[in-house]
Amino acid sequence: AQTVTQSQPEMSVQEAETVTLSCTYDTSENNYYLFWYKQPPSRQMILVIRQEAYKQQNATENRFSVNFQKAAKSFSLKISDSQLGDTAMYFCAFMKPSGNTPLVFGKGTRLSVIA
Amino acid sequence: SQTIHQWPATLVQPVGSPLSLECTVEGTSNPNLYWYRQAAGRGLQLLFYSVGIGQISSEVPQNLSASRPQDRQFILSSKKLLLSDSGFYLCAWRAGARNGYTFGSGTRLTVV
Repeated sequence: AQTVTQSQPEMSVQEAETVTLSCTYDTSENNYYLFWYKQPPSRQMILVIRQEAYKQQNATENRFSVNFQKAAKSFSLKISDSQLGDTAMYFCAFMKPSGNTPLVFGKGTRLSVIA
Repeated sequence: SQTIHQWPATLVQPVGSPLSLECTVEGTSNPNLYWYRQAAGRGLQLLFYSVGIGQISSEVPQNLSASRPQDRQFILSSKKLLLSDSGFYLCAWRAGARNGYTFGSGTRLTVV
């Protein structure tokens, strides 16, 4: 079974600085998808970024980028130029590409952006 | 476009009362649907998922049940609520492997 581990329960960063959230996973699959979700205080779950395992190029979405290390089974999220609105819980998640196996989430990292 | 609706947004119920939370999806057919629970400040616990009408998979034994009476409707129920059922409940549908899940806006349940 796949597992996702987020080793940082809480983090903080100064506004305009850069922060990296860690995520590791365990799988025997070769092809899969990885995601980062953001849950702000409103508790709405928002997809931030996704990575396809067969793509070596790291995904980027504006100020959000990932460092995907397939061999190390690592999938970290980098937030550049942090903004107060980035304050949220961040969840790393793993999905197999086919079948009905549910998305596997990590336990989350609570990020606080400080003015 | 596909949308997911979840209601009510907030619910306060006494211990021992029944529960019914509803989730509907628009703009897609035969979606995979999921119910998650999140305790305060905690991670997401998968409760149930459904791949079709009448098909329910339970992930953890508990005081809750789920039903899928229609293709795009997923209902979470309880006959008698416990204090431990309090939490934030999220419905989601699988928007394809590349897009992960799309979540509803959630229901905050407080059992008193």
